Amino acid sequence: KAGVTQTPRYLIKTRGQQVTLSCSPISGHRSVSWYQQTPGQGLQFLFEYFSETQRNKGNFPGRFSGRQFSNSRSEMNVSTLELGDSALYLCASSSLAGGPDTQYFGPGTRLTVL
Amino acid sequence: SQELEQSPQSLIVQEGKNLTINCTSSKTLYGLYWYKQKYGEGLIFLMMLQKGGEEKSHEKITAKLDEKKQQSSLHITASQPSHAGIYLCGAVLNAGNNRKLIWGLGTSLAVNP
Repeated sequence: KAGVTQTPRYLIKTRGQQVTLSCSPISGHRSVSWYQQTPGQGLQFLFEYFSETQRNKGNFPGRFSGRQFSNSRSEMNVSTLELGDSALYLCASSSLAGGPDTQYFGPGTRLTVL
Repeated sequence: SQELEQSPQSLIVQEGKNLTINCTSSKTLYGLYWYKQKYGEGLIFLMMLQKGGEEKSHEKITAKLDEKKQQSSLHITASQPSHAGIYLCGAVLNAGNNRKLIWGLGTSLAVNP
């Protein structure tokens, strides 16, 4: 089985722009979670989608949004980028939503905001 | 302070030595994940512990969950350069299907040949 894929792997944007990141889960997995990882804060939960519905949400501003499509692929959007949004964005897929199921992570998208 | 504390923050060991990484929660644990991450890359799943006293092994890595102490430890026996990386623990804080996952800041491991 192919693993979780994320595109693009690297991205450079300037303040004020917006960005869309994509995540394709493992075949058969219906849950996709998004995380932001920075050296100081570690791994911070953004949101989780299951069957096209947002199931859980972390404490991030409304500039961060996401969606999931019928094929379970997910996108994450960040509008009005700020310097502090520079981070590694990881998505993880699992077969269940919210349950004690293993999450499998993609390689991440490294976003740099100038 | 972090809800999930990992110690030590970083570790340098000589190849062949044993080492232990700890993960301590300030709240009740309903499960705990261990992952390994190479710098700037995704997380690789190592193992998940769900029951108090549970112990799992994968090759030379063993993890235990002590529910009473709200702590898990990851032990690597006879370390190798391939073990180098960042080890992250993730804790399940809610029982049932409304999982809340929090993460430690990671332990950076270097293994000198």
